[in-house]
Amino acid sequence: NAGVTQTPKFRILKIGQSMTLQCAQDMNHNYMYWYRQDPGMGLKLIYYSVGAGITDKGEVPNGYNVSRSTTEDFPLRLELAAPSQTSVYFCASSYGVYEQFFGPGTRLTVL
Amino acid sequence: AQKVTQAQTEISVVEKEDVTLDCVYETRDTTYYLFWYKQPPSGELVFLIRRNSFDEQNEISGRYSWNFQKSTSSFNFTITASQVVDSAVYFCALINTNAGKSTFGDGTTLTVKP
Repeated sequence: NAGVTQTPKFRILKIGQSMTLQCAQDMNHNYMYWYRQDPGMGLKLIYYSVGAGITDKGEVPNGYNVSRSTTEDFPLRLELAAPSQTSVYFCASSYGVYEQFFGPGTRLTVL
Repeated sequence: AQKVTQAQTEISVVEKEDVTLDCVYETRDTTYYLFWYKQPPSGELVFLIRRNSFDEQNEISGRYSWNFQKSTSSFNFTITASQVVDSAVYFCALINTNAGKSTFGDGTTLTVKP
């Protein structure tokens, strides 16, 4: 099993550009999460999903969008990138409220 | 609304000392789960423990132990005889059982010096 995979690992965006961060899991987990981690800070929940077709906002959803059309994939869309979105983005999945398995993260810089 | 507070931003100890990391949470829900995760300098997140809101038994796993006290809304983590390899950022987290929404604390950076 690959676990949770995220692509890309690194990305530099210009202000105003858009991009999609990809996240996939092969553990048949129903719950999936997107977090951002700013330097020296904790994980802030952006969006989460408790199953295919169901998504909900977390603590910091502004500037992001998600979709969950399959159990395996949970892409995060950034529209009109801003310097404040410079962060490390982690995707995670879990079987219900059991432990979350995290991807390796995507380091995004917006200049 | 739910909240997790880790008041200790940074802790530094010398190897073999015992150290306790504090975690205080707030939630209106009666059923929830509490977690601890470790983030070593390499950056990955590693699961350490899960505890549900109905189970206040303390747990010990090797040099690690956890003390859950519902009366004070605390879920503290103790490392006994710390080692340099314990140096990491430790996060406490809470998940709402009904909605599945998770909240992490800001983390405690533990440095263990040889």
